Amino acid sequence: GAVVSQHPSRVICKSGTSVKIECRSLDFQATTMFWYRQFPKQSLMLMATSNEGSKATYEQGVEKDKFLINHASLTLSTLTVTSAHPEDSSFYICSAFRAVTGELFFGEGSRLTVL
Amino acid sequence: QKEVEQNSGPLSVPEGAIASLNCTYSDRVSQSFFWYRQYSGKSPELIMSIYSNGDKEDGRFTAQLNKASQYVSLLIRDSQPSDSATYLCAVILTGGGNKLTFGTGTQLKVEL
Repeated sequence: GAVVSQHPSRVICKSGTSVKIECRSLDFQATTMFWYRQFPKQSLMLMATSNEGSKATYEQGVEKDKFLINHASLTLSTLTVTSAHPEDSSFYICSAFRAVTGELFFGEGSRLTVL
Repeated sequence: QKEVEQNSGPLSVPEGAIASLNCTYSDRVSQSFFWYRQYSGKSPELIMSIYSNGDKEDGRFTAQLNKASQYVSLLIRDSQPSDSATYLCAVILTGGGNKLTFGTGTQLKVEL
């Protein structure tokens, strides 16, 4: 089946530093990828839609200058959390849309802890 | 009204029973519906997709869609303890492109 790989799975960083998370679709091309954030015991919250070759579309309330998204190829999207603060600690999950089947597959998630 | 609504649970069923998970949605013209399973601390895993009214079966799972009632459900037959997880209903809303809108999820506990 389709596989979406996300890296790193866990990251701990100091407040004020930046963290990059990668999302790769391994066996299909994804023109559209999505980035979600999930706080404990809450549902997935869509942060932004990443479109290959164009600017990402951010959901209301998500700071585009803080959460930088780059979708430079059909198999890779990256999310960079800039100047991270403890309140940015969360589970970040990417997903890739497989157009052929109309299905969305998720990466394994990245747990960010900002000290 | 929330766009996608689920009862948060927990829903407890004994091992071997049928678990029934329900979801309602607000957009009358939505066409694509999905069920995901999420274990604690893990990312969601796609279980079923359904696009037409009626039932769709895959192993122990059956998805049911009723567009007139704006209702989609997931039945799990012969429930196993390993089915204990949070089940997320997701809908592609009209005008949302390929963007999924998720319900808050129903926690299922299958007890021995």
